Amino acid sequence: QKEVEQDPGPLSVPEGAIVSLNCTYSNSAFQYFMWYRQYSRKGPELLMYTYSSGNKEDGRFTAQVDKSSKYISLFIRDSQPSDSATYLCAMRAAGGTSYGKLTFGQGTILTVHP
Amino acid sequence: DAGVTQSPTHLIKTRGQQVTLRCSPKSGHDTVSWYQQALGQGPQFIFQYYEEEERQRGNFPDRFSGHQFPNYSSELNVNALLLGDSALYLCASSSDRENSPLHFGNGTRLTVT
Repeated sequence: QKEVEQDPGPLSVPEGAIVSLNCTYSNSAFQYFMWYRQYSRKGPELLMYTYSSGNKEDGRFTAQVDKSSKYISLFIRDSQPSDSATYLCAMRAAGGTSYGKLTFGQGTILTVHP
Repeated sequence: DAGVTQSPTHLIKTRGQQVTLRCSPKSGHDTVSWYQQALGQGPQFIFQYYEEEERQRGNFPDRFSGHQFPNYSSELNVNALLLGDSALYLCASSSDRENSPLHFGNGTRLTVT
């Protein structure tokens, strides 16, 4: 069983829709949770970065973390064709030796059509 | 402010050969991590370098080795290449503190034939 599970999709939605992306995990040591966006032939770009449980909002993006259920989500409001990309959840434990060691989900391919 | 830069962008090698990939971290960052991303998969952690030493290593064989230089730039070396080593190799940098997120470069696409 993988430490982080993410539905690979693909997910296709019309422009303006609300998109929900989700990941589950099994490692209780994970304390930091991230969402990255990756366009074709590019590296992952950091979208959201949260610590422990709770919600964080940034423009059209909202990240939610529920550590009791080991479940994280990313919501995209008013989705745009430019949001079409692969979305990767990632997480890591606390502590110095874990700073650079992220565990990623498989990625969800999202297409927003006009 | 330059982000993480990697070179080369693409590389084609033959089985059994050796390859060196290079990374310059984002300005102000002193920690470098390397990841392997196979097609259709999320990145897998290879190792992390801080103060010119390997601090943490993922589940990769000894054929994968690295180095960090005094200016914080880094190299990833892969010996005895296998077909399965074909992937996008990503470098990420951060500051060595608890709340510092990782920033990724655009990667080197390695094809082993």
